[in-house]
Amino acid sequence: AQSVSQHNHHVILSEAASLELGCNYSYGGTVNLFWYVQYPGQHLQLLLKYFSGDPLVKGIKGFEAEFIKSKFSFNLRKPSVQWSDTAEYFCAVTSSSNTGKLIFGQGTTLQVKP
Amino acid sequence: DVKVTQSSRYLVKRTGEKVFLECVQDMDHENMFWYRQDPGLGLRLIYFSYDVKMKEKGDIPEGYSVSREKKERFSLILESASTNQTSMYLCASRPPPGGGFASPLHFGNGTRLTVT
Repeated sequence: AQSVSQHNHHVILSEAASLELGCNYSYGGTVNLFWYVQYPGQHLQLLLKYFSGDPLVKGIKGFEAEFIKSKFSFNLRKPSVQWSDTAEYFCAVTSSSNTGKLIFGQGTTLQVKP
Repeated sequence: DVKVTQSSRYLVKRTGEKVFLECVQDMDHENMFWYRQDPGLGLRLIYFSYDVKMKEKGDIPEGYSVSREKKERFSLILESASTNQTSMYLCASRPPPGGGFASPLHFGNGTRLTVT
């Protein structure tokens, strides 16, 4: 079945630690990949997206993600997290094989300790 | 900046009631979506609409219907609310797909619905 999987459900880090959140998808066809963030009490916001070109995508607030087509992955990274990065992170995919519906992973809650 | 407005932030309804969740966007977007968000399950697509009077089922349409009479408004209807429909409901809009569905969604603040 077509799906989006985020492997880490809850991550706890200290400030300045490096972050990597995993995301794998199982769609065929041409894919567009997104990472969204939801800060406590706020609406979902786009962090970054990939649709073509350089597989290493840079987003807001120092986040980046790498699209590895052979691994069907789009992992999110940040070299040094801050307390303000505490939030829930969602990976999402649209595909030419699913009529453009945006399908989300289960989400990863990141808690950064000061 | 795109604004997606959901009419209620919190709603409490009784089992069996018909419930309307309203969503309005101000950017003339063709595409609109309804998701529900539950802990550990992420966002699951209920229904979406690519244009006025058009609707498509998402992954979990059972127990829901939608209405898109005007481009800016997309309503989610719970025909007979049940306790398992207690959830956070998120509306989103997106400009036309253009070349390949790369446009991001713009989300509203959500409606937290409790069915008792």
